[in-house]
Amino acid sequence: DAKTTQPPSMDCAEGRAANLPCNHSTISGNEYVYWYRQIHSQGPQYIIHGLKNNETNEMASLIITEDRKSSTLILPHATLRDTAVYYCIVRPGMDSSYKLIFGSGTRLLVRP
Amino acid sequence: GAVVSQHPSWVICKSGTSVKIECRSLDFQATTMFWYRQFPKQSLMLMATSNEGSKATYEQGVEKDKFLINHASLTLSTLTVTSAHPEDSSFYICSARLTGSADGYTFGSGTRLTVV
Repeated sequence: DAKTTQPPSMDCAEGRAANLPCNHSTISGNEYVYWYRQIHSQGPQYIIHGLKNNETNEMASLIITEDRKSSTLILPHATLRDTAVYYCIVRPGMDSSYKLIFGSGTRLLVRP
Repeated sequence: GAVVSQHPSWVICKSGTSVKIECRSLDFQATTMFWYRQFPKQSLMLMATSNEGSKATYEQGVEKDKFLINHASLTLSTLTVTSAHPEDSSFYICSARLTGSADGYTFGSGTRLTVV
């Protein structure tokens, strides 16, 4: 499986955009980039995923570089409730045999 | 949407006793479930994969005789921590494979186990 590298922690001010980077230089052609977050003492929550095009949903935007070796999750207007650990995972789409493996993630602190 | 109900949300037990954690899929059949463990300030670590009607597959380093997993029906998987010790205190999370969801998975809310 391709591995990801994320900064251990970041912070941003409430109301500002939070940009969370992820490096996945060994990603292969059939692997997608998925983002999850885990708010303290809760189960992980799916945020967004993409293959090579940029994606946007009601929670966030995902920007994937053209070479697909890195991506950025953007929370456009961070709120205090966005304080969480964010995990970037690369995986082969909806492969039914895949086990979801979490890396160390980025701990995002949104400051008032 | 589809929900995985995990119980209890927290439990305190005495050292040497066993604790059972339930993970129940609501409104869908979960043929495959996953169990994770998470220590404070650390990431989720996959413990095992359970498939309905067959033996669970454990990840390397996870003691299958200590962490008993049963997946006897399409809606229920259980994790029993046997002869629990303080070092087993952790946050345990189940997940079910869910076809039709955006990412193919849904997670329980977790169980915080404290062994005293």
